[in-house]
Amino acid sequence: QQQVKQSPQSLIVQKGGISIINCAYENTAFDYFPWYQQFPGKGPALLIAIRPDVSEKKEGRFTISFNKSAKQFSLHIMDSQPGDSATYFCAASIEGSNYKLTFGKGTLLTVNP
Amino acid sequence: GAVVSQHPSRVICKSGTSVKIECRSLDFQATTMFWYRQFPKQSLMLMATSNEGSKATYEQGVEKDKFLINHASLTLSTLTVTSAHPEDSSFYICSATLDTDTQYFGPGTRLTVL
Repeated sequence: QQQVKQSPQSLIVQKGGISIINCAYENTAFDYFPWYQQFPGKGPALLIAIRPDVSEKKEGRFTISFNKSAKQFSLHIMDSQPGDSATYFCAASIEGSNYKLTFGKGTLLTVNP
Repeated sequence: GAVVSQHPSRVICKSGTSVKIECRSLDFQATTMFWYRQFPKQSLMLMATSNEGSKATYEQGVEKDKFLINHASLTLSTLTVTSAHPEDSSFYICSATLDTDTQYFGPGTRLTVL
């Protein structure tokens, strides 16, 4: 059972455009939602994370929007750059669960120059 | 801060041999470390959770006798793939956390079993 569903599987955006990746979760006990960026042959790097008590969090060009009632959260990358081309994973965890993360299947983002 | 290293970054071994991968938290003491496996173009699959000084907790379907995990100190965890076979070839990634939800990942180890 996939507890975190991520879409789209792949995304192509022009330089300067907005990249949007969506995730939906099923377990209402999830209370921590991070996004990770992974380049080929490298480990994932934490981009930004949010908790259910806020609806939006922004860090530079990256914004998480969170909709608790819909059980959905999304990553927006403003002014997308070719250097943003990578695979992005959303994840979720439950406080007190030994911090285990449940990952989405990933989105391969390609930003064309 | 929050740097996690892995060694080696790449390893090629013959079928039947054992391979040890080290995961170190360089600038913090990690109470919990995780080991993941990732196949090409796929998501991360959690293999096991290890806490310093105690036995690792393996995910369903992961053979604990094949993937030996030791977390002897707050900065070091090791994964040993015993009697490796070609199907064990994969990208192995560790992560570490210090009593928070935030996991910091290592750069990964590419294992190729011939």
